[in-house]
Amino acid sequence: GQNIDQPTEMTATEGAIVQINCTYQTSGFNGLFWYQQHAGEAPTFLSYNVLDGLEEKGRFSSFLSRSKGYSYLLLKELQMKDSASYLCAVSDSNYQLIWGAGTKLIIKP
Amino acid sequence: SAVISQKPSRDICQRGTSLTIQCQVDSQVTMMFWYRQQPGQSLTLIATANQGSEATYESGFVIDKFPISRPNLTFSTLTVSNMSPEDSSIYLCSERGLAGADTQYFGPGTRLTVL
Repeated sequence: GQNIDQPTEMTATEGAIVQINCTYQTSGFNGLFWYQQHAGEAPTFLSYNVLDGLEEKGRFSSFLSRSKGYSYLLLKELQMKDSASYLCAVSDSNYQLIWGAGTKLIIKP
Repeated sequence: SAVISQKPSRDICQRGTSLTIQCQVDSQVTMMFWYRQQPGQSLTLIATANQGSEATYESGFVIDKFPISRPNLTFSTLTVSNMSPEDSSIYLCSERGLAGADTQYFGPGTRLTVL
């Protein structure tokens, strides 16, 4: 079967760094996406990894290891507005997105 | 990035009625999808909207309940038929320019409440 695992909830402090992990087992792999979703809003695209390594975009970075079936999203210099759910999704052999349940990130002052 | 609009943004409907949600993308795209997201849950793919032919439905979703149209590359509709309170959810249109594209964008969503 296809499976995406990520922690249900994480808490971090404003100004700190947090790493959200995602492990996956899918039929085929055509890239991994990270999305941010604020309550009541649609998901917003953050990053896409298809090759191993780290992709950096400002305060957000995403890492992929295909051999380990593992990715993480790294958020630096956390701000209160970063409080949201973070969704990991893998594009399978049919280019369908398989979604994780999402990680709710709570930022405390 | 593509701009996706959805109408209506929200609606409250009576049991047994139907609602059609429209999705418009500002550029020609290959793949359009309809998702459902129930409160506190992740996204569930309902179907892939195929241009000029019947949509491809995921397990658990059928055409009679969720008829989908896609008359051209930039527009699609999803109808939620014979609604029940269990259909209360956010319905999201999504697009991907090409099958292997490195981005997939979502519309703002339609928040449906069925009484």
